[in-house]
Amino acid sequence: DTAVSQTPKYLVTQMGNDKSIKCEQNLGHDTMYWYKQDSKKFLKIMFSYNNKELIINETVPNRFSPKSPDKAHLNLHINSLELGDSAVYFCASSLAGGEQPQHFGDGTRLSIL
Amino acid sequence: AQSVTQLDSHVSVSEGTPVLLRCNYSSSYSPSLFWYVQHPNKGLQLLLKYTSAATLVKGINGFEAEFKKSETSFHLTKPSAHMSDAAEYFCVVSPSHAGKSTFGDGTTLTVKP
Repeated sequence: DTAVSQTPKYLVTQMGNDKSIKCEQNLGHDTMYWYKQDSKKFLKIMFSYNNKELIINETVPNRFSPKSPDKAHLNLHINSLELGDSAVYFCASSLAGGEQPQHFGDGTRLSIL
Repeated sequence: AQSVTQLDSHVSVSEGTPVLLRCNYSSSYSPSLFWYVQHPNKGLQLLLKYTSAATLVKGINGFEAEFKKSETSFHLTKPSAHMSDAAEYFCVVSPSHAGKSTFGDGTTLTVKP
C-alpha cells in the first residue's frame, strides 16, 4: 500500500564502507528525487530523474551515484562513506512539472561510526 | 531565480489558540507554492498548494494559507492548534514549468497543553 518506500530505514556503518539505499514508488509518477536532511532539519536536493533521465544533479560529491533502472525505482549508492554523510536521506516522487506536489518516503537514517 | 524565507525557526502556541507560520518568497515568474508538514521520524506530507487559482487555499487538518502577491507572502494559519500539530513545517516555492523546488529552512511548531 505504501506509496513511496525506502529501504533500509536505518543504516549504521563504518567510515570508508560502500552502501546503497533503494526507493520504489507505486504512484505511477515519472519524476523521482533524492534529498538529504541534516541534523538541523535543512533539506537539500541531491538528484532528480524524469523517465529514468537525470535532470537535476546538484553539487554533491561524486561518491554519490544515483541509478534509475525504471520509472518506479531510484537507488542511491554511496562510496567511501565519510562522517559528514550522516543524515536522513529522503526519496520523493511526483508527476512532471513544478506545480505538482511531491510524495515522500519515510527516510533512511544513515549513521557513520 | 527563486528563494523562500521562513521568518520563524520556532513557534510555540498553546492548544486551542491560533497558529501562524510565516513564509516569504521571491520568484521571477508566477510560482507554485506549497506547505509540507514533517512529523518526527516521518517523511514530508503535503498540507496544501497554491497554483494560480484561488488565493486562499484550504488544506488538510484545518490549515489554510493565503497567497499575497503584493507582499510576496504565503503564510500558513490554523484557527485552533491541536497537540497533534506539533511538527516541522516547510514552505516550498517551485517554478510552474519543470525545474527545481526551493525549500525553506523549516519552522518547528510546538503546542503546549
